[in-house]
Amino acid sequence: DAGVIQSPRHEVTEMGQEVTLRCKPISGHDYLFWYRQTMMRGLELLIYFNNNVPIDDSGMPEDRFSAKMPNASFSTLKIQPSEPRDSAVYFCASGPLNTEAFFGQGTRLTVV
Amino acid sequence: GNSVTQMEGPVTLSEEAFLTINCTYTATGYPSLFWYVQYPGEGLQLLLKATKADDKGSNKGFEATYRKETTSFHLEKGSVQVSDSAVYFCALSDGLMGGQNFVFGPGTRLSVLP
Repeated sequence: DAGVIQSPRHEVTEMGQEVTLRCKPISGHDYLFWYRQTMMRGLELLIYFNNNVPIDDSGMPEDRFSAKMPNASFSTLKIQPSEPRDSAVYFCASGPLNTEAFFGQGTRLTVV
Repeated sequence: GNSVTQMEGPVTLSEEAFLTINCTYTATGYPSLFWYVQYPGEGLQLLLKATKADDKGSNKGFEATYRKETTSFHLEKGSVQVSDSAVYFCALSDGLMGGQNFVFGPGTRLSVLP
């Protein structure tokens, strides 16, 4: 298995633009997580899904952020409109029930 | 709620020194405990885990023992190498109510000098 695949690896965009981050979880994993990592705040859980259903989105910072999982093999995290303070590394992770999470390589987002 | 506390560092050691990174947790029930490692520019990788009290997880010379009585899961290595320089995260998963919510500590940056 290729592991959790995220795209793009790097994204530079202008303030106000829409940004879409993509994630392909490991096949057969029931859970999918989106995290954000910054120097100031560390690793923050934004949202997680179980069997494609959002379970807890309390970590989503504001309405500009949205996440979808239309099927078991694909998820997106969208920021619209983007702001400079959204600059961070965004990680997607997947895992089977009650075991460890497997992380992707992350997307480094820079909003200028 | 669940939480994980770990020494934030940075920790700087000389090669072949002994390493301890402390981790304590607060959780209801009986969580699984993990140590993840993040090398520069990469995602987090599972280093080791323990799923019940007194279990010892080990990998690549690192080990940690699940201590329920002290709610701790300290990471140790007898002789560190320069290649161990990374950020180490302690984490727990409660898995209650059919859900799964990983809680991560703030991470401890380790620098090993030759």
